[in-house]
Amino acid sequence: DAEITQSPRHKITETGRQVTLACHQTWNHNNMFWYRQDLGHGLRLIHYSYGVHDTNKGEVSDGYSVSRSNTEDLPLTLESAASSQTSVYFCASSEVATNTGELFFGEGSRLTVL
Amino acid sequence: GQNIDQPTEMTATEGAIVQINCTYQTSGFNGLFWYQQHAGEAPTFLSYNVLDGLEEKGRFSSFLSRSKGYSYLLLKELQMKDSASYLCAVTDSNYQLIWGAGTKLIIKP
Repeated sequence: DAEITQSPRHKITETGRQVTLACHQTWNHNNMFWYRQDLGHGLRLIHYSYGVHDTNKGEVSDGYSVSRSNTEDLPLTLESAASSQTSVYFCASSEVATNTGELFFGEGSRLTVL
Repeated sequence: GQNIDQPTEMTATEGAIVQINCTYQTSGFNGLFWYQQHAGEAPTFLSYNVLDGLEEKGRFSSFLSRSKGYSYLLLKELQMKDSASYLCAVTDSNYQLIWGAGTKLIIKP
């Protein structure tokens, strides 16, 4: 069965360190997304990609970067982690680029920045 | 600004029916989604409405009124496993997906 997996599932890091969260999907979807989820907020889009070598900023992209070197992977990097980036991060993929189709989510990565 | 409103928390009894409302104010409309999210897990797709009316899928139904900027998710014959958060999301005219904060549904025996 096709799936989307994230790693690590849990990470604790210190302020100022670089952190990379991995996302791997076997749906063969061109469209991939990174969201963060915080209590009291809806899912907020960080970055997204519509295909290899394509990346775009979402509404909360400051302090984050992504790269897309193949169809399956979209790693999310926090260049210098800040306490405000403590959150649960979800990767998602979709067959449809226009947000009119189902999103398939990974299990989430819980990041704590001390 | 764009906004999606849904109740923060609701409580219902096992075997009963519950309706979770979602109202939205967005720049245009290209569809409304409902997702279910159990605690500590990923959201999973429940429904997508783009035209007015009711769509039924087993115990779950979703209704949309575009003129009123309103949707609801109806859950029938509630089971304990329906305890979860329910997320409403709207695709706007720029095809951006706007998410509500979610409604936590608590089912009591």
